Amino acid sequence: GENVEQHPSTLSVQEGDSAVIKCTYSDSASNYFPWYKQELGKRPQLIIDIRSNVGEKKDQRIAVTLNKTAKHFSLHITETQPEDSAVYFCAATLISGSARQLTFGSGTQLTVLP
Amino acid sequence: GAVVSQHPSRVICKSGTSVKIECRSLDFQATTMFWYRQFPKKSLMLMATSNEGSKATYEQGVEKDKFLINHASLTLSTLTVTSAHPEDSSFYICSASGQGADFEQYFGPGTRLTVT
Repeated sequence: GENVEQHPSTLSVQEGDSAVIKCTYSDSASNYFPWYKQELGKRPQLIIDIRSNVGEKKDQRIAVTLNKTAKHFSLHITETQPEDSAVYFCAATLISGSARQLTFGSGTQLTVLP
Repeated sequence: GAVVSQHPSRVICKSGTSVKIECRSLDFQATTMFWYRQFPKKSLMLMATSNEGSKATYEQGVEKDKFLINHASLTLSTLTVTSAHPEDSSFYICSASGQGADFEQYFGPGTRLTVT
């Protein structure tokens, strides 16, 4: 089965700086890679996703890059703000005609210091 | 985006009792629902996958007789924790996925279960 590793487990940055979170996956067949933001006691919220047919996707201050050959993908947050503080999870799955289970990374606690 | 609700949001029960958690897709038909368990400061651990009208598929190590899952309709799945023990205390989250091209999973708000 799929195995997703995520680093770092904790990350502190100064407000305005950039934050980068990295994930690697094991199953080369995986083709969908979402990123979730979870605040304490709340549901995970999809913030960005990428499919294997593209190498990069950007949405305002958030971007995701994918390297299929190396089987790793990264989340980039620029101009960080205190409200970006949360736990971020990467995930991977194979989309192939029906819903498939997501395999989650272990999470990164991001703290943006004002 | 699609909306998924969970009820109750918090529940406290005594050891030995059973607790039912409901997961509803409010504005779409969920052909597949997933149940996760999350410990404090940990990732989401998939417990089982349920497809409407069929038996749930449980992940290795999850007791199907203890965590009963029913997905009787396209908008409702239930998780019943039977004979609850304090170690069952956790945050339980469901997600739902419908038919269509995106297969995105929409998460419920979670249920905080405390067993005393």
